[in-house]
Order: sequence, then C-alpha cells, then structure tokens
Amino acid sequence: DAKTTQPNSMESNEEEPVHLPCNHSTISGTDYIHWYRQLPSQGPEYVIHGLTSNVNNRMASLAIAEDRKSSTLILHRATLRDAAVYYCILIRSSNTGKLIFGQGTTLQVKP
Amino acid sequence: KAGVTQTPRYLIKTRGQQVTLSCSPISGHRSVSWYQQTPGQGLQFLFEYFSETQRNKGNFPGRFSGRQFSNSRSEMNVSTLELGDSALYLCASSLDQTLGTEAFFGQGTRLTVV
Repeated sequence: DAKTTQPNSMESNEEEPVHLPCNHSTISGTDYIHWYRQLPSQGPEYVIHGLTSNVNNRMASLAIAEDRKSSTLILHRATLRDAAVYYCILIRSSNTGKLIFGQGTTLQVKP
Repeated sequence: KAGVTQTPRYLIKTRGQQVTLSCSPISGHRSVSWYQQTPGQGLQFLFEYFSETQRNKGNFPGRFSGRQFSNSRSEMNVSTLELGDSALYLCASSLDQTLGTEAFFGQGTRLTVV
C-alpha cells in the first residue's frame, strides 16, 4: 500500500487560509490522491480528490505537485467547524474500495 | 437522500460473546467497506464488499467476518470477543469501485467489550 506522510498537527486562525501538506514519494502513475477529514465524534467525510491537475470544489482546493510526490489541501478561509483530523490517502487500481488511513493532521482553528 | 445507517449505535458485550453489526448503504451504492477505529491504531480497514462479493480484506483475524446481501446491506460479525475488540466500527458506502469515487461514512457503532 502506498504510504503518505503528514504533519501530526497544525494551527490556524479563523478566517485565514490553511495549507495542509502531504508527502507521497512512492506514488505510482495511476494512484489517486484523496483527502478525508474526521470531525470529533463523527465518521470520516470526503473532502476532495485528484490525479494530476489541481482541483477545486466547494469545500477546498487540492494542489498537486508536478512530480506528484506531494500535494497540499487548501482551506481558503478556516472556520471553527473545520477543526478536524485531515487524512491524505492514495488509492490505486488494485485496491479500490480500500482506504488506508495514516495518522492524519489534527487541525486546530483558533477564534 | 438518506445517508449511511449503522445499527446499533452503541453496544456492550462480554468477552467471549459474538456480535453482529449492520450497515445500510446509501440507496444505489454497491460497495460497502468496514473499518475499525481505536485510539492506539487509528482507522484500520477490515474488508470491502461489492455486489455481494468480498473484494478486499485487511489484516484482521478470522474472528472478523462479513457479508453483503442482494440489497447491498452489509453485516459484520465478530466472534469470541476480546477486550481489544472495543472500538468504533465504521461502515462506508460508495457508488462503485472506480478510483475517483468518494466514500460516505456512517456514524459508526461503538462496541465496548467487558
């Protein structure tokens, strides 16, 4: 299974942008990069995913490095509700339906 | 549209007993995955079913088993419960198995083994 590396924790101020990094140096050409987050006392929630190009949706943006060995999840304006554990996950064709969660990044948002 | 429903939400069992947890996926979703979450090990993949067939399995002992019915509902069973099986068990459903498909998680079943 492809491994990802994320910082254990990050802090942000409310209303400011947040950049959550993820390293995945062993990524293969067909691996998709997915991000999920888990709010306290809830199941994980899908945030965004991409393959090669940067992606935007209503929740966040995903910036993927040109060599694909790293990516960054961008929350444009952090709110208190964004305080959660964020997981960066690689999904490959041989393991569809299987999410391998690492330790993730715990994001604290200060008012 | 109803989300993923897991029942029961909370369960207390005695060591040595067995337990069955249920997961109803979002209507139309054919893939159901199960995960165990503990403070020490984090979120770990148990198994995944697609159209009633187990397609992927994690590294758990044979005491952990599951099945999927023709309506895509899924159950997981844990036999001969151990104290270490106390955890939050999460179920996720997705439309199919494509790489770009998002998974929707339920609220989980909190199992406590005493």
